[in-house]
Amino acid sequence: RKEVEQDPGPFNVPEGATVAFNCTYSNSASQSFFWYRQDCRKEPKLLMSVYSSGNEDGRFTAQLNRASQYISLLIRDSKLSDSATYLCVVPNGGSQGNLIFGKGTKLSVKP
Amino acid sequence: NAGVMQNPRHLVRRRGQEARLRCSPMKGHSHVYWYRQLPEEGLKFMVYLQKENIIDESGMPKERFSAEFPKEGPSILRIQQVVRGDSAAYFCASSPKGGGALDEQFFGPGTRLTVL
Repeated sequence: RKEVEQDPGPFNVPEGATVAFNCTYSNSASQSFFWYRQDCRKEPKLLMSVYSSGNEDGRFTAQLNRASQYISLLIRDSKLSDSATYLCVVPNGGSQGNLIFGKGTKLSVKP
Repeated sequence: NAGVMQNPRHLVRRRGQEARLRCSPMKGHSHVYWYRQLPEEGLKFMVYLQKENIIDESGMPKERFSAEFPKEGPSILRIQQVVRGDSAAYFCASSPKGGGALDEQFFGPGTRLTVL
């Protein structure tokens, strides 16, 4: 299994749709997880952190299944401005704190 | 409070030249990370530094690449004798504390290196 693996995408959805992205990770010792958002030719920006079973912030819900080493991100009532690439990120299992990024899943929300 | 600053934003070099990328962390942050993003790829960790120390350089290519974070001034990523395969976006991130998976890393806007 790759260190961090995501749905390849792209996801093309209409405004108002609900869309879910999946991510699997290989390091069973990982304790925290992140979803970053990256707009085209921009830097990644933190969207959500996940430390326990899940996290919810407005239209965004992240869920964690440690047994299956699986993380998901759900976006409800999608907006045009949600169009971006969503990166699943897992800290390195070592003590140094560097991040391991998935390749990302591209979302395009259409009017 | 200014965010992470990187310069230049765009850098064009010919094969064989040197590229020098700069990163100033957020105020109060003493931990700096460098990542590289090749076209259509995810970000890959390169090196983690604290002031005057390289903590983890496991992601750095063995040759031509070096990094420093001096006591005064920005962190520098240096690429000697650049080749076309070095063309990528180089992102710097900083955090207030290092070695902790719970600390958010704040990313700079990146330097886009193009090697002709």
